[in-house]
Amino acid sequence: ELKVEQNPLFLSMQEGKNYTIYCNYSTTSDRLYWYRQDPGKSLESLFVLLSNGAVKQEGRLMASLDTKARLSTLHITAAVHDLSATYFCAVARYGGATNKLIFGTGTLLAVQP
Amino acid sequence: EAQVTQNPRYLITVTGKKLTVTCSQNMNHEYMSWYRQDPGLGLRQIYYSMNVEVTDKGDVPEGYKVSRKEKRNFPLILESPSPNQTSLYFCASYEGQGAPISGYTFGSGTRLTVV
Repeated sequence: ELKVEQNPLFLSMQEGKNYTIYCNYSTTSDRLYWYRQDPGKSLESLFVLLSNGAVKQEGRLMASLDTKARLSTLHITAAVHDLSATYFCAVARYGGATNKLIFGTGTLLAVQP
Repeated sequence: EAQVTQNPRYLITVTGKKLTVTCSQNMNHEYMSWYRQDPGLGLRQIYYSMNVEVTDKGDVPEGYKVSRKEKRNFPLILESPSPNQTSLYFCASYEGQGAPISGYTFGSGTRLTVV
């Protein structure tokens, strides 16, 4: 069974600092997704990583994928308060009787002034 | 505007009273799915549909029903709700039937409380 684990589950950081969220998954997958969720809101797509070595950047966030290590990272550069949210990674599981994204449990990011 | 619309946004109901949460998308997407979100458990798939009249169980289908009579609509039915179905529910869709190229489009969510 495919499992997706995120670390850390909770991250409190100061504005201006850098940090990385890790997403490990247990079996082969070539598509990895990152979402952001604000409290009480829906999930917003941030990045889709489609191949080994893929790197995508948007503002202060950069995501990368290493399919051999089954690891994706979401790097935050010079954090600002507006980045406070819960971040989810998800892995695609498609084919046969299964068609879904499997989500990690999320990382709650709190950026303190 | 391309979107997935869920209704209602909030619902408080009593145990055993049948309810339906509606989901509609205006993007002509083939795939639609229901997830529930619970603290510490992330999002778990309830049911999904690859196209009209094609539905299948996800990871936590017990106590739920779905139907896909039209491409745009995918209602979630709780025939006899119980308190353990108190959760935040999301409908999602995407174009195609294989792994999504650009991820899911999510609805705004339905917070259900069963007392």
